[in-house]
Amino acid sequence: DIQMTQSPSTLSASVGDRVTITCRASQSISTWVAWYQQKPGKAPKLLIYQASRLESGVPSRFSGSGSGTEFTLTISSLQPDDFSTYYCQQYNSYSRAFGQGTKVQI
Amino acid sequence: EVLLLESGGDLVQPGGSLRLSCAASRFTFSDYAFNWVRQAPGKGLEWVSAIDNSGFNTFYADSVKGRFTISRDNSKYTLFLQMNSLRAEDTAVYYCTRVSLVTSNFDYWGPGTLVTVSS
Repeated sequence: DIQMTQSPSTLSASVGDRVTITCRASQSISTWVAWYQQKPGKAPKLLIYQASRLESGVPSRFSGSGSGTEFTLTISSLQPDDFSTYYCQQYNSYSRAFGQGTKVQI
Repeated sequence: EVLLLESGGDLVQPGGSLRLSCAASRFTFSDYAFNWVRQAPGKGLEWVSAIDNSGFNTFYADSVKGRFTISRDNSKYTLFLQMNSLRAEDTAVYYCTRVSLVTSNFDYWGPGTLVTVSS
């Protein structure tokens, strides 16, 4: 099965900062990666799909890039509402493994 | 607006069984594939199982294979997860998720239902 390794596990940042989260796949998965945001006690929300496509309604400060085995999620200017946990997920195969998550905190 | 609502979560003893349901509404249920995703307390997301729109094709994580069964009733707009031989490590919030026809990702999630496996 394809494994997703996400880093860092925790990230301390301030409002206005540029933030980058990385995800590495255990084998090439083309651009079949999605990124989700989760707030405490809530279900995750889709932000990015196919590595770089922004889900409808998601602010443009979120962007994704990468292909093959290396992927990144970037928040260009961190806003107060962005302090959350972020997960990458591969969907190259039926076993849609998630990364371990990155908590973005103040 | 699409609605997904899980139910059936409970406290169960190790070795016991539980059946989760996910009631869907406001879209054509039989058009979509679904997945179950779980999250142990304070931990990350774990993909559990998937089913295609017809119900003929099902997939499982190694951690639940042989113990859990995913199924659906398209006439009742309901997704199920039958969980047998439950273990303490199955304790988690279980989410029902819909697979988008456009992006192939999980576009809608239910609020989740808590399963606690403990004696």
